[in-house]
Amino acid sequence: DTAVSQTPKYLVTQMGNDKSIKCEQNLGHDTMYWYKQDSKKFLKIMFSYNNKELIINETVPNRFSPKSPDKAHLNLHINSLELGDSAVYFCASSLFAGETQYFGPGTRLLVL
Amino acid sequence: AQSVTQLGSHVSVSEGALVLLRCNYSSSVPPYLFWYVQYPNQGLQLLLKYTTGATLVKGINGFEAEFKKSETSFHLTKPSAHMSDAAEYFCAVSDSGYSTLTFGKGTMLLVSP
Repeated sequence: DTAVSQTPKYLVTQMGNDKSIKCEQNLGHDTMYWYKQDSKKFLKIMFSYNNKELIINETVPNRFSPKSPDKAHLNLHINSLELGDSAVYFCASSLFAGETQYFGPGTRLLVL
Repeated sequence: AQSVTQLGSHVSVSEGALVLLRCNYSSSVPPYLFWYVQYPNQGLQLLLKYTTGATLVKGINGFEAEFKKSETSFHLTKPSAHMSDAAEYFCAVSDSGYSTLTFGKGTMLLVSP
């Protein structure tokens, strides 16, 4: 059983489109995260949710909107995609904030 | 604010040689420290972590790291490199509480036969 799963694994789309990435964890964790990994492999936190409540919202364009329907899911919706959004997006979860984070396999987004 | 510095974007070793990946951190409170490994086209996998207690931490795949408060370091070592260790390694710091991980820029470990 996959602990943290993401769909889709690959996403190729045109500039200006809207897309969503889904994340699910079956670990019973309270906290979930979205990270962006750029082309130089640098990882940066985007959002963090604890029990469906947003607790961390880094400087991210408001075209990015996370949604947590329940504490096992954290989805990321991106409006009006731009070339610079091309990256690998990782979802992660932890038992509670500050504890060990477990990462999903990543979603490779390419905006053309 | 926390920060992590990983010295060397690439480290090359021969199979069987000692692996040493350097990590220095800054944190205003006692840190939690982590090493993650990322294999090509995969997610991050936890190698080991330090929270409190013993400063020498053993992880998976024969890796270990030592927390040295006086040097603000958490270097990762392995006595004998295997080809399968070739991957990107990330050091990260958290100040616990309602805090996320701050990652270093990663070090690519290359292992030659």
